[in-house]
Amino acid sequence: GQQVMQIPQYQHVQEGEDFTTYCNSSTTLSNIQWYKQRPGGHPVFLIQLVKSGEVKKQKRLTFQFGEAKKNSSLHITATQTTDVGTYFCAVTTSGTYKYIFGTGTRLKVLA
Amino acid sequence: NAGVMQNPRHLVRRRGQEARLRCSPMKGHSHVYWYRQLPEEGLKFMVYLQKENIIDESGMPKERFSAEFPKEGPSILRIQQVVRGDSAAYFCASSPDDRQPQHFGDGTRLSIL
Repeated sequence: GQQVMQIPQYQHVQEGEDFTTYCNSSTTLSNIQWYKQRPGGHPVFLIQLVKSGEVKKQKRLTFQFGEAKKNSSLHITATQTTDVGTYFCAVTTSGTYKYIFGTGTRLKVLA
Repeated sequence: NAGVMQNPRHLVRRRGQEARLRCSPMKGHSHVYWYRQLPEEGLKFMVYLQKENIIDESGMPKERFSAEFPKEGPSILRIQQVVRGDSAAYFCASSPDDRQPQHFGDGTRLSIL
C-alpha cells in the first residue's frame, strides 16, 4: 500500500531558528495538504498544493511540491513559540478519494 | 457558521459495551471522514462517507465497527463490544467535496476500562 513518510519525526529548535519538515511518498500524488495539530487539539488545515513544482507562502511558512509530485516540504522561517505542534502532510492519488496522513513531525520551540 | 461538531468529547466504556460517536459536519458539507489517532501518532483513515453512502471503508476493521451518514442527522461511528485496544481519539472531518480541505472536529476521546 501507499506509504507516506515524514522526516524528521521530532525537531527541537531555539526560538528564531528555521525549521523544515519533509513529506515523501512512494507513489505519484494528485495533491497534498498540510495540517497543524497543537497538543491536545485537532488538525487545522494550512495549505493545499496541486501543481508540480508549486510553491506557496503564508507569512513565515513556505510550502513546496516536488517536480515529480512525490514529495513536499514545509519550511518555517524564524520560528516562534506559537509554532509548536505536530505538522502533518495528507496526500491523495489520482482515482482515490481518501487522504493518507503522514507520520507527522513534532516541533518544539525553546524560548 | 458552526464548525464540525463531535460529541461526546470524552466517552468511557467498559469492555464489551457499545460506543457511539457522533459527528455533525459543517453546513453545506456532504463529505465526512473518520480518523483514529493514538497518542503521539498520526491519523489513520477509517472511513469516507457521503450522504447515505459509504464511499471507502478500507481503513475500518470489518468486525465490530460500522459507520453511517443518514439523510437527516449526524454521521455515527459505532463500535460494538469494545476492547481496550479501541482506546484512542476519534476525529471526524468534513469537506464540500473530495478535493477540498478537510475541517476537523475536536474529536472524541474514547477510554475503555
